[in-house]
Amino acid sequence: GESVGLHLPTLSVQEGDNSIINCAYSNSASDYFIWYKQESGKGPQFIIDIRSNMDKRQGQRVTVLLNKTVKHLSLQIAATQPGDSAVYFCAERSGGSYIPTFGRGTSLIVHP
Amino acid sequence: GAVVSQHPSWVICKSGTSVKIECRSLDFQATTMFWYRQFPKQSLMLMATSNEGSKATYEQGVEKDKFLINHASLTLSTLTVTSAHPEDSSFYICSATGGGPTNYGYTFGSGTRLTVV
Repeated sequence: GESVGLHLPTLSVQEGDNSIINCAYSNSASDYFIWYKQESGKGPQFIIDIRSNMDKRQGQRVTVLLNKTVKHLSLQIAATQPGDSAVYFCAERSGGSYIPTFGRGTSLIVHP
Repeated sequence: GAVVSQHPSWVICKSGTSVKIECRSLDFQATTMFWYRQFPKQSLMLMATSNEGSKATYEQGVEKDKFLINHASLTLSTLTVTSAHPEDSSFYICSATGGGPTNYGYTFGSGTRLTVV
């Protein structure tokens, strides 16, 4: 989950569709994962989190899935709305550190 | 919920001047604050971690003399960009947490857009 200086991948969906945003991480010691939403010109906003002793957690219209075997995290957004258009970042943290590491982010574009 | 206020939201300054950005936790005590820099269409790059009452820990490649961080109280951290140059233009974001490894909350400020002309 190291952030790198590359341009963001983009996911385009139609309003009402379900969106799935993926994130891969590399640190097998990571035990806490967070998804953030960042709108243009603003700071990241917390969406949902999950600890490593779980493999699924649901919020309002969002679900986070964690697959520790392949070190993969996903964010599912149900019935995507234009207001969901933003950049989504995953972040991970290992038990030995309190510093989260951010992934590169995915730009979600929702077409009305 | 936890709220972090960052000020100013945007600033334009002349080359060679210094700019101070403030980050305040409004309803919790932020024992640790993080400062990030973000370039357009890129992820957040951690610049430094500051713990209240102690010196900040800078990430590799970040000049501590150029980016001065002060975390004098449990609710306030400041980032001062000294002798700013156009290449310092960027989006700076702070984040705060109220505890160490056992705390699971990170709250972000709204960011500061710095433009150096």
